[in-house]
Amino acid sequence: DVKVTQSSRYLVKRTGEKVFLECVQDMDHENMFWYRQDPGLGLRLIYFSYDVKMKEKGDIPEGYSVSREKKERFSLILESASTNQTSMYLCASKKGGLAQSYEQYFGPGTRLTVT
Amino acid sequence: GEDVEQSLFLSVREGDSSVINCTYTDSSSTYLYWYKQEPGAGLQLLTYIFSNMDMKQDQRLTVLLNKKDKHLSLRIADTQTGDSAIYFCAERTPLVFGKGTRLSVIA
Repeated sequence: DVKVTQSSRYLVKRTGEKVFLECVQDMDHENMFWYRQDPGLGLRLIYFSYDVKMKEKGDIPEGYSVSREKKERFSLILESASTNQTSMYLCASKKGGLAQSYEQYFGPGTRLTVT
Repeated sequence: GEDVEQSLFLSVREGDSSVINCTYTDSSSTYLYWYKQEPGAGLQLLTYIFSNMDMKQDQRLTVLLNKKDKHLSLRIADTQTGDSAIYFCAERTPLVFGKGTRLSVIA
């Protein structure tokens, strides 16, 4: 079974802190994604990566950066956390070329609260 | 306007059929997807349909696609309490999701 794991289920940070959210997949998938999920807004794509050291901006990249140094790991970085970044963060991975129809597998999510 | 639109809530009685509707905008989407999110969990692919199909059936699930109107629907027959979840319609690559429809099943 494909497994996508996220480093924390719940995280509480203070405004201005640097925050790292880690995501690891164990199926050698080429593509990895970070979304945030907010009530009434659904899932919005922050960043994605289709290869090691490659990254592309999604729909809402402001205030975030990412790192993909190894194929299995995709990190989301909040350089200076703000209260409007309080959200559920979902990581996903997908096999194959970006345009192919393979299923996107999701991690369980990290609920981040910034106070 | 929204890329993918869904109604936010649906309530049905156990044993009835549920129909969740979605409209999308990108006519070049090759595949359209339905994902399910149970409480406290990530999303899981429920089913998908290739854009040259009108219908796809998989046990209790029926997906209907109207490309002319860019309308996608998911029908769940004999809805059970275990079907209570949020259902997301999605298109494109990378996936663009609707806001999700929260299905509540009343016993």
